[in-house]
Amino acid sequence: DIQMTQSPSSLSASVGDRVTIACRASQSISNFLNWYQQKPGTAPKLLISAASSLHSGVPSRFSGSGSGTDFTLTITSLQPEDFATYYCQQSYSTHVTFGPGTKVDFK
Amino acid sequence: QLQMQESGPGLVKPSETLSLTCTVSGGSISSSTFYWAWIRQPPGQGLEWVASISYTGTTYSTPSLKNRVTMSVDTSKMKFFLSLNSVTAADTAVYYCARQSSVGTNTNFDYWGQGTLVTVSS
Repeated sequence: DIQMTQSPSSLSASVGDRVTIACRASQSISNFLNWYQQKPGTAPKLLISAASSLHSGVPSRFSGSGSGTDFTLTITSLQPEDFATYYCQQSYSTHVTFGPGTKVDFK
Repeated sequence: QLQMQESGPGLVKPSETLSLTCTVSGGSISSSTFYWAWIRQPPGQGLEWVASISYTGTTYSTPSLKNRVTMSVDTSKMKFFLSLNSVTAADTAVYYCARQSSVGTNTNFDYWGQGTLVTVSS
């Protein structure tokens, strides 16, 4: 299986901050990388697909980049509703795998 | 708007079989563009893809669970199903059903049910 890692595992930030989350794959996955946001007690929501395509309805402050093994999710100006856990997920392999998550909380 | 809803027992005894149903509404389950998936999340932990099925019944599952997982689909009822046998406490999790969409050759999970907690305990 392709292993996904994320860094940091958690971070503290303030409203208005620029936040960057990294995701790394154990082998090259081209751009077969998706990002999800999950708030406590709710299902994950798709934010970005194919590494950089913003999903319908997702605010433009979210962006994704990268290819191969290294990817980044950026939130340009953190809003109160953005405090959540973020997961990357690869679909290069039929056996999809998720990263362990990055929790973004209040500083 | 597509909606998905999980249902099934919230408590299963060790060594028994966990059985869940996902009901899909507001869209079609019979499309070659989509697979239908189960994803689980142990309490306080991350997400683990369990298995996926097409409307024709083609299935694939995560290797670590492959010998214990069965999926099926009933397109006439707009439902798909998960069966996980020989459960242990390690199978305790919130189980989500989700639509797995293909965008080019990338696939993602774009619609999710609300999740159902299944606890394995005697």
